[in-house]
Amino acid sequence: QVQLVQSGAEVRKPGSSVKVSCKASGGTFSTYAINWVRQAPGQGLEWMGGIIPISGTAIYAQKFKGRVTMTTDESTTTASMELSSLTSEDTAVYSCARAMRELAYSDALDIWGQGTMVTVSS
Amino acid sequence: DIQMTQSPSTLSASVGDRVTITCRASQSVSSWLAWFQQKPGKAPKLLIYKASSLESGVPSRFSGSGSGTEFTLTISSLQPDDFATYYCQQYNTYFPYTFGQGTKLEIK
Repeated sequence: QVQLVQSGAEVRKPGSSVKVSCKASGGTFSTYAINWVRQAPGQGLEWMGGIIPISGTAIYAQKFKGRVTMTTDESTTTASMELSSLTSEDTAVYSCARAMRELAYSDALDIWGQGTMVTVSS
Repeated sequence: DIQMTQSPSTLSASVGDRVTITCRASQSVSSWLAWFQQKPGKAPKLLIYKASSLESGVPSRFSGSGSGTEFTLTISSLQPDDFATYYCQQYNTYFPYTFGQGTKLEIK
């Protein structure tokens, strides 16, 4: 059974950066896209981007381009998402989610991490 | 970007009721449409993919239909565990993925 386990909650000051990790276990890591989705308090879901570990190529939502970096480490089966130039509007739960099919950036997201709360406050 | 609009935003229903949630896309997404259930403090759970395919382990009272721009999620007989927020999401080839704003299903 594939599981995604994320790093713990973070508190950051405006202007700083945060890096959230997502460790996969129990299945194949390299050929399934890991996507990142965020949810601000009381709000809906927002896709940030995705990456297929074996390709190393990430696709980012236009809104986050220049501010987000997604990476993977196949040796530790861990995906990471770093978001810079944080503002209070970045306060949200950040989740990793795996695409259903191998080598597909665009697919339903069937396995999710538990989410990581990132709070941006001075 | 493709806009996804769900209706209603809130739905009050009773155990045993049949309920339907609608999701409309601003342009065709073919059948690249998923439905999720989310409970407070939890990650979304995939219910339906490719508009009408039931995810493994999801009860058969959940069903999805539609294609192009109009989609529905139906719960045939509401159970107490079904009270949650539901989201649709399009995953058409052209990014970005976009989600509906959510439908909160409440106990009447």
